[in-house]
Amino acid sequence: GAVVSQHPSRVICKSGTSVKIECRSLDFQATTMFWYRQFPKKSLMLMATSNEGSKATYEQGVEKDKFLINHASLTLSTLTVTSAHPEDSSFYICSASSTSSYEQYFGPGTRLTVT
Amino acid sequence: DAKTTQPTSMDCAEGRAANLPCNHSTISGNEYVYWYRQIHSQGPQYIIHGLKNNETNEMASLIITEDRKSSTLILPHATLRDTAVYYCIVRTPSTGNQFYFGTGTSLTVIP
Repeated sequence: GAVVSQHPSRVICKSGTSVKIECRSLDFQATTMFWYRQFPKKSLMLMATSNEGSKATYEQGVEKDKFLINHASLTLSTLTVTSAHPEDSSFYICSASSTSSYEQYFGPGTRLTVT
Repeated sequence: DAKTTQPTSMDCAEGRAANLPCNHSTISGNEYVYWYRQIHSQGPQYIIHGLKNNETNEMASLIITEDRKSSTLILPHATLRDTAVYYCIVRTPSTGNQFYFGTGTSLTVIP
């Protein structure tokens, strides 16, 4: 089956710094990638949709200047949390899909802790 | 916004069938029903999806009512490893194929 990886799996950063999370599709070309965040004991919340080579579309209430998304190739999307604060601590999950199959294949997630 | 409602939690005895219901009464004709599950602190795992007809694969069966307003995911012989949160999602092709997750059902398989 299709495999999506994320790096890092865990990251701790200080308040005010920026952190980048990578999402890669390992064995297929991902024309669309999605970014979610998940708080403890809560469901996944869609943050943004990104199509290769174009700007990401953010969901209502998600600050695009704070959560920078780049989808420069068909196998890589990055999420950069800028000027992180403790309230940004969360589980960030990406998913990827291709035009041949609309299933979304999810990465294993990245646990971000901002101190 | 999520277009589905599911029971918050369910228990199932190991070896028995687990039947997880989902209500999607506002579903449109071109919208698919997807099921994913999430084991603690992992990414969601695809299970099955359907449009109108019942579907079966190596993991589960999906039964969709004739009016498409509800569906049931069936795990035929539940094991302890099936303990997870199960999400029923309606995918809308016309709006970019986004998934809006509801609260899901926390299934606990009991030995």
